Amino acid sequence: NAGVMQNPRHLVRRRGQEARLRCSPMKGHSHVYWYRQLPEEGLKFMVYLQKENIIDESGMPKERFSAEFPKEGPSILRIQQVVRGDSAAYFCASSPVGLAYEQYFGPGTRLTVT
Amino acid sequence: GENVEQHPSTLSVQEGDSAVIKCTYSDSASNYFPWYKQELGKRPQLIIDIRSNVGEKKDQRIAVTLNKTAKHFSLHITETQPEDSAVYFCAAKGDAGKSTFGDGTTLTVKP
Repeated sequence: NAGVMQNPRHLVRRRGQEARLRCSPMKGHSHVYWYRQLPEEGLKFMVYLQKENIIDESGMPKERFSAEFPKEGPSILRIQQVVRGDSAAYFCASSPVGLAYEQYFGPGTRLTVT
Repeated sequence: GENVEQHPSTLSVQEGDSAVIKCTYSDSASNYFPWYKQELGKRPQLIIDIRSNVGEKKDQRIAVTLNKTAKHFSLHITETQPEDSAVYFCAAKGDAGKSTFGDGTTLTVKP
């Protein structure tokens, strides 16, 4: 059973460009969470999604950030018009249906904005 | 919302000694408390967890204790080894789904 997959692992964008981060949950998991980790800091919750539904986006910045988890395909975190402050590691985690406690993390995408 | 505080932020111990990391939480509705270990440049990995109906859980050299009344829980690592060196995060989670993480403890085990 493959673990949580994220791609790309490293992403470099210039200021003003768009960044798209993808997350494929573990097989059988239908809950996806996105977290941001700034250098030498903790994990900050961004958004919690189920298939075709955003459950909690209380940690998402109001502008430029959006997330989706379509019926088919990976979950996508989109950052429009990136700024240097968006540089961070973005981790997604997934958990199974009916047991939404244990979360398993992907390897993360390290976004660098130049 | 939930607020999780973690102490200490850095901890240095001699190999073989014990290490203790403490967390407090604010939301009495939280009922699941995992601990994650994150090595440099790697993903957080779940090492142990405890649910609110249990006071203590042990897995080899790692144990977690929970005091619901005081709203705090602790990670105990005994007989520490250099490979235990990493950043450790506690988290608190309720039925709503999202986890709130502490700011992490950098543990260094000196050989």
